Amino acid sequence: RKEVEQDPGPFNVPEGATVAFNCTYSNSASQSFFWYRQDCRKEPKLLMSVYSSGNEDGRFTAQLNRASQYISLLIRDSKLSDSATYLCVVFSGGYQKVTFGTGTKLQVIP
Amino acid sequence: SAVISQKPSRDICQRGTSLTIQCQVDSQVTMMFWYRQQPGQSLTLIATANQGSEATYESGFVIDKFPISRPNLTFSTLTVSNMSPEDSSIYLCSVRTNTEAFFGQGTRLTVV
Repeated sequence: RKEVEQDPGPFNVPEGATVAFNCTYSNSASQSFFWYRQDCRKEPKLLMSVYSSGNEDGRFTAQLNRASQYISLLIRDSKLSDSATYLCVVFSGGYQKVTFGTGTKLQVIP
Repeated sequence: SAVISQKPSRDICQRGTSLTIQCQVDSQVTMMFWYRQQPGQSLTLIATANQGSEATYESGFVIDKFPISRPNLTFSTLTVSNMSPEDSSIYLCSVRTNTEAFFGQGTRLTVV
């Protein structure tokens, strides 16, 4: 089993749709969780951190469920500019180890 | 935050040759990390570069193939040696804090 697992997609959604991505992790001792966005031919960039209490930033909501070892990202009112690959990222081992999911590709269609 | 300048951004190389990738960070950092991202895949850690000591390589990566230099706290190089087409990939350098990982712009390598 991979340490961090994501549905690779692609998710093809129309503009204005709501889309949700899930991620599971295997190390129960993992400490911090993030969603990164990677545009085509670009480096990954931090989208948002993920907390048990939930974290909302505009149209984006991230949620952590430690009991189920599950992370989610919800995008409301999708825009064409949201088209990218979304990487689930987990810090563990005293922040020395960073594990990346395989990424979920989102394509927002006009 | 950290700003990383990585170069070259891309290169096309003949098999059997070597390419050295450079990363410059705008602040001093203890550890720098080198990743490979193959097409359609996520990031795989190659090695961790510490200033003043040898790099630590992950399983499947060896120093002879991917020698790393770390001459000071703001700079590192990764060399891809004796290249074959299987080395075609994106190579990324990275630094991190407790709350975020930062990446260089990536080097897109094509070996022909």
